[in-house]
Amino acid sequence: QVTLRESGPALVKPTQTLTLTCTFSGFSLSTSGMGVSWIRQPPGKALEWLARIDWDDDKYYSTSLKTRLTISKDTSKNQVVLTMTNMDPVDTATYYCALAVSGTEGYWGQGTQVTVSS
Amino acid sequence: DIQMTQSPPSLSASVGDRVTITCRASQRIRGYLNWYQQKPGKAPKLLIYAASSLQSGVPSRFSGSGSGTDFTLTISSLQPEDFATYYCQQSYTTPRTFGQGTKVEIK
Repeated sequence: QVTLRESGPALVKPTQTLTLTCTFSGFSLSTSGMGVSWIRQPPGKALEWLARIDWDDDKYYSTSLKTRLTISKDTSKNQVVLTMTNMDPVDTATYYCALAVSGTEGYWGQGTQVTVSS
Repeated sequence: DIQMTQSPPSLSASVGDRVTITCRASQRIRGYLNWYQQKPGKAPKLLIYAASSLQSGVPSRFSGSGSGTDFTLTISSLQPEDFATYYCQQSYTTPRTFGQGTKVEIK
């Protein structure tokens, strides 16, 4: 059974760096074809894809956010970490991680709400 | 980036209605199109992948079609549990991009 769980701070201040961790079970990120993506959703708005890291350590980023994002994995811990620098109130959103099999996000975590406010 | 445009942004329908949602890509994406359903306060759920393949466990009243730039999600007979927001997503290239969503509401 595949499960993913996002964790991180619920509140960050503007200009701070956000660090989110996705802890997963039921699959291995060392298996060919597997990847973990991050997607976010501001309140009342659409989904926005942020980044993905694949089993072979290939990394992909949102064009508009790539200068602020870093994705990494710890295969032994079954974790993927996303950092986003220089947080702004417009980054307030629910952040999801998802298992991407052959590039398609088929299993999602429940999401974690992040508010950016001073 | 590939832009995904959904229509309509919202629709009202009754239980039993046939519902169609369209999604257009800004460039050809072959059949690399996914559909997700999202209910309030919940994570999105994959319904259709590769334009027309039904994800395991998804009811057969959901179907997808299309190729190239134009795609359709059809619900053959709308059920009470289908009232939700639906998103298309291209999986042709990275970065992945989503449509703006279509909210299906009760008439």
